[in-house]
Amino acid sequence: NAGVTQTPKFHILKIGQSMTLQCTQDMNHNYMYWYRQDPGMGLKLIYYSVGAGITDKGEVPNGYNVSRSTTEDFPLRLELAAPSQTSVYFCASSYSGDTNYGYTFGSGTRLTVV
Amino acid sequence: DAKTTQPNSMESNEEEPVHLPCNHSTISGTDYIHWYRQLPSQGPEYVIHGLTSNVNNRMASLAIAEDRKSSTLILHRATLRDAAVYYCILRANTGTASKLTFGTGTRLQVML
Repeated sequence: NAGVTQTPKFHILKIGQSMTLQCTQDMNHNYMYWYRQDPGMGLKLIYYSVGAGITDKGEVPNGYNVSRSTTEDFPLRLELAAPSQTSVYFCASSYSGDTNYGYTFGSGTRLTVV
Repeated sequence: DAKTTQPNSMESNEEEPVHLPCNHSTISGTDYIHWYRQLPSQGPEYVIHGLTSNVNNRMASLAIAEDRKSSTLILHRATLRDAAVYYCILRANTGTASKLTFGTGTRLQVML
């Protein structure tokens, strides 16, 4: 029962570098989400997807890109990393966007940009 | 999305019940009340949700005021493992892509 798996768990990135945060789920969920959480704050939605091939922006999409080529995978791409992107990133999935379905979250990727 | 208001922090003694309040005075008729919690260094996890009636599950109970302007998450016997940040979230029943919008939540400390 893997659920939502995120890799890596920790990473240090230099300013201007790029990287991809990986997220995969094995629950055949249609909906997937990327959130970031800054210290002492709640989570903010970056991007989400309602199915393979369909993505949309959330509250804070600038500096990020996503793709959804399969149901299982939803990678988050950081281009030209900036210190403001230092955060903990959480991926989540849900069977449906209906309010009766909860989200399942991964354990997060702690990213530091220096 | 309608907003919720929660106390920043609360304390409880182990083995005692905990009542975590949430105010949502601008809730609309189709908004569901969801609770998630986030244990230290982990992602959030679903706790419970409801619309109008009180709800119970293995983790907690949710008591919803008759006018729906407030709700209370009840942990019947707090343990040290219940120390977490608890988020009260309103989800609009839009039919599709109803997203979770997190506030800062209530940090619950459980004392021995």
